[in-house]
Amino acid sequence: DAKTTQPTSMDCAEGRAANLPCNHSTISGNEYVYWYRQIHSQGPQYIIHGLKNNETNEMASLIITEDRKSSTLILPHATLRDTAVYYCIVRTVGAGANNLFFGTGTRLTVIP
Amino acid sequence: KAGVTQTPRYLIKTRGQQVTLSCSPISGHRSVSWYQQTPGQGLQFLFEYFSETQRNKGNFPGRFSGRQFSNSRSEMNVSTLELGDSALYLCASSPGQENQPQHFGDGTRLSIL
Repeated sequence: DAKTTQPTSMDCAEGRAANLPCNHSTISGNEYVYWYRQIHSQGPQYIIHGLKNNETNEMASLIITEDRKSSTLILPHATLRDTAVYYCIVRTVGAGANNLFFGTGTRLTVIP
Repeated sequence: KAGVTQTPRYLIKTRGQQVTLSCSPISGHRSVSWYQQTPGQGLQFLFEYFSETQRNKGNFPGRFSGRQFSNSRSEMNVSTLELGDSALYLCASSPGQENQPQHFGDGTRLSIL
């Protein structure tokens, strides 16, 4: 699985959009980009994933660059409950490849 | 729909003992994966079970083992516990087919004295 690079920490004002970048310059054609977050003392929570098209769900939007070497997770209106560690994961999808490699993630702090 | 349930939530053991952790996946999910989370190493994959068979394995010693039952529930066993086994052990389930996200439980926090 390709390696990802994320900033160690970010702050965001409550009510503003939080844009979390991720670099995955060695991503290959059959690898998806997944995002999870982990709030203190809880298990990781699935947010969104995509291959090459931009994706949106009720939690967030995922923007993947055309060359697929980087992506941005957007939380449109951050709240205090969005304070968490956000993990960007590149995952090879295929038979028997159901494991995730977590990096160190980005610690997002939403400020009142 | 109920989420992934892990029991117990907290456990204290001493060195040399063994421990069994339990995971009940989301209904209908056939894949169960186990992860270890420590402050120093972060989240690391232990193994995955699908239809009662181990399908993937991470880089952990043989003291760490698991199994899956016909109802997809899974157990993880750690024998001869060491101080370094103190960690949060997380279980995740998914339907098991391609491109379907895993959903995590809140883990079992294991402390070794």
